[in-house]
Amino acid sequence: GQQVMQIPQYQHVQEGEDFTTYCNSSTTLSNIQWYKQRPGGHPVFLIQLVKSGEVKKQKRLTFQFGEAKKNSSLHITATQTTDVGTYFCAGRIGTASKLTFGTGTRLQVTL
Amino acid sequence: DSGVTQTPKHLITATGQRVTLRCSPRSGDLSVYWYQQSLDQGLQFLIQYYNGEERAKGNILERFSAQQFPDLHSELNLSSLELGDSALYFCASSVSGAPGNTIYFGEGSWLTVV
Repeated sequence: GQQVMQIPQYQHVQEGEDFTTYCNSSTTLSNIQWYKQRPGGHPVFLIQLVKSGEVKKQKRLTFQFGEAKKNSSLHITATQTTDVGTYFCAGRIGTASKLTFGTGTRLQVTL
Repeated sequence: DSGVTQTPKHLITATGQRVTLRCSPRSGDLSVYWYQQSLDQGLQFLIQYYNGEERAKGNILERFSAQQFPDLHSELNLSSLELGDSALYFCASSVSGAPGNTIYFGEGSWLTVV
């Protein structure tokens, strides 16, 4: 079945350092979404990418969708303690409504 | 607040028992999803409904069942519970369940099976 893997599984950075999580799918995705889950919280939608090679920015966050639409990345510039949480990518194949979540990357930020 | 309401927030029950988790989607959303999140696992898709009909099925055990009612609220029934069923169960909703829809998650129901 479809698998969506994320690396790294966990990353610990000092505040001010950059952070990147990578999302890789075994199959081509029609679109990809990113979610953030704070400790003890629920996943919250961040953004959706649809086009091949698409790049979107939200303040210090940069999201990219690969040319082959099988991978994506989330880059955070100058992390802050408020960035702590688990970041999930989630993708769909074709017109399927099922959204498959990646394995998640847990980010820890310390002062 | 996502607008998705789940009850109960916490539930402790014994092995072999049956529980029902309830979900009210955001106002106007027709599609409901159920996900399971265990401690060492990501978000496992269980099942999706759209306007009362099953739309997609994931890794849902035969001991589990769900339905979406005419008023669009949904219930996830878990029976013959095992220790391994202990997890956080999320309900989510979207406008129509189309591929481009954003999914909004509820705060989850923590199930502990002892």
